[in-house]
Amino acid sequence: QVQLQESGPGLVKPSETLSLTCTVSGYSISSNYYWGWIRQPPGKGLEWIGSIYHSGSTYYNPSLKSRVTISVDTSKNQFSLKMSSVTAADTAVYYCARDIMSTRDYWGQGTLVTVSS
Amino acid sequence: QSALTQPPSASGSPGQSVTISCTGTSSDVGGYNYVSWYQQHPGKAPKLMIYEVSKRPSGVPDRFSGSKSGNTASLTVSGLQAEDEADYYCSSYAGSNMGVFGTGTKVTVL
Repeated sequence: QVQLQESGPGLVKPSETLSLTCTVSGYSISSNYYWGWIRQPPGKGLEWIGSIYHSGSTYYNPSLKSRVTISVDTSKNQFSLKMSSVTAADTAVYYCARDIMSTRDYWGQGTLVTVSS
Repeated sequence: QSALTQPPSASGSPGQSVTISCTGTSSDVGGYNYVSWYQQHPGKAPKLMIYEVSKRPSGVPDRFSGSKSGNTASLTVSGLQAEDEADYYCSSYAGSNMGVFGTGTKVTVL
């Protein structure tokens, strides 16, 4: 059974860099899928952040592209998100998910990241 | 890349049907048969209910069905049950390995 689990700090200071890792179990990240990050501000809708293929090819939401980096570590079966220069507007639940043609069939439980001093 | 447009809310009585629309453009919904729908209960991760416009993953009741016409996709929930009360989001492939979500619809079972 495919399982994803997000991990990382729940509190980040304004202007700093948010860093999250998604650990995948039950499926090799090197197989034929993309792996993506999605976020949801409190009380609001879902927003696609970006996705990565096991080869390292990345695709980002144009509105976030300048601040986001997604990377993959196939040896650990993990992929990661870094978002720089965060503000309060980046406070959200961050989800990782398995992704193919924008269909996300397996999701992590989500992790709340609050941006505050 | 603008969010797909969904009605903020929809409702129906138990046993009735409710249909949610998801309107995009020819660059996303209208251009590809990669529309998916997600159900999200409060405090939970989204759950895939429909993919590739009208396909159901294993375990999803056949009360859930999807369709598409032009730039608008739709999700229909037939035989509404109390547990169907949730937020529903559509998503579409938008080319160049990018995707876009809908604005979300809160379904209330009266």
